[in-house]
Parts: sequence; structure tokens; C-alpha cells
Amino acid sequence: AQSVTQPDIHITVSEGASLELRCNYSYGATPYLFWYVQSPGQGLQLLLKYFSGDTLVQGIKGFEAEFKRSQSSFNLRKPSVHWSDAAEYFCAVGAPNNNDMRFGAGTRLTVKP
Amino acid sequence: NAGVTQTPKFQVLKTGQSMTLQCAQDMNHNSMYWYRQDPGMGLRLIYYSASEGTTDKGEVPNGYNVSRLNKREFSLRLESAAPSQTSVYFCASSMRTGGSSYNEQFFGPGTRLTVL
Repeated sequence: AQSVTQPDIHITVSEGASLELRCNYSYGATPYLFWYVQSPGQGLQLLLKYFSGDTLVQGIKGFEAEFKRSQSSFNLRKPSVHWSDAAEYFCAVGAPNNNDMRFGAGTRLTVKP
Repeated sequence: NAGVTQTPKFQVLKTGQSMTLQCAQDMNHNSMYWYRQDPGMGLRLIYYSASEGTTDKGEVPNGYNVSRLNKREFSLRLESAAPSQTSVYFCASSMRTGGSSYNEQFFGPGTRLTVL
């Protein structure tokens, strides 16, 4: 089955600084990749997804992610972080032949004023 | 359009008690899922239902049962709760149409369950 690793458990950035959250996946073919965000006490909201085509995908709230097959990565980026971006971020990988979507353990983002 | 709704929001059980978590979606999605979320482990799939009348085990099905009551509703039952089932439970749905098609999942707000 596919799997996902998010190497950073917790990241702190200053408001206005750039952000990159790392995600590495394991899957034998082209995966379906997702980034979700979870605010405290809330469900998960989809930020962006990659199925095929252009490897740089744009999402909501100014986020983007780049699929790099050679590195098995799908890192999430934002050029300028806002205090409201503080949340937990999950990378997930799905496969075309099953319903089993696997999530990473999450990266908690703290934004300093 | 409420999306995915879950009841209850919070629940405390004693070891050995049973309960059913309810989930409903109004997006006409055919696939529904139950996950549990534990600190440091992300979300893990318990069971899913690809269509009305079908259910399949996910990554961590032991101790749980599910029922796909109709296209809208998918319930999760704990027959004899254990402290290891203390977790936050999320229901999700998607318009998965089989084969190689795939769509994102939409999540409910979660149920926080504590088993004493």
C-alpha cells in the first residue's frame, strides 16, 4: 500500500515569512496527492490536489505544491504566511486502484507575530 | 447544503459499553469513509463504503463495525468500547466512481470519543 512521510512534526515561522512543508510518499505508480489543513477542533479542509498534468498546482488561501517524481515529494509552499495559517497540515496519498487514502502524521505550524 | 455531518460531537463511554457514531452527507457522494485520528499518527482508515450496500475494511478495522444505511448515511459502531479506542473519529465522503477515477474526500467536523 502507499504511504506518506511528513518529516517535520512542528514548524514555527514568522508572519510574512515564506513557508515550505515537506511531504514524501511511497507508491509504485503515479499517485494522487493531497494537502489538507485542520484548524483546532475542526475537520479537514482540502488545500490542493494533484492527479496528473502540470506538476505545480495552485490551491486555496495562496498555497501551492510541486510534485517531483524523482524525489517522491509533494512539498507545500506559501510565499508569505499569515497568522491565520496556524494549523495542522496533512499530506495524503491515494491510489487509482483502491479507496485507501493514506495520511501523513501531520505538521503543526505555529506563526509568530 | 450541510456537507458531511456527524453526531455526537463528544462522547464519554465506560469500558465495555457500546455506541454508534452517525454520519450523513448531502452531496450525493457514493463513497463514504470512517477514520480515526490519534496524536502523531495522522488519520487512519477504519472502514469505507464504495457504494450503497458495500463496505470494506481499512487499515485499522478491529473492534468496529459499520453500516451503510443508504446513500446518505454511514454509521460506525463500537460493540464493546476499550480505552484504546479513545480518539477523534472523522467521517468523509467522495464522489468516487470506481476504476481509476478519484476525487478528494470531504470531511465532517469529527466526534471526540473518550473511553474510561
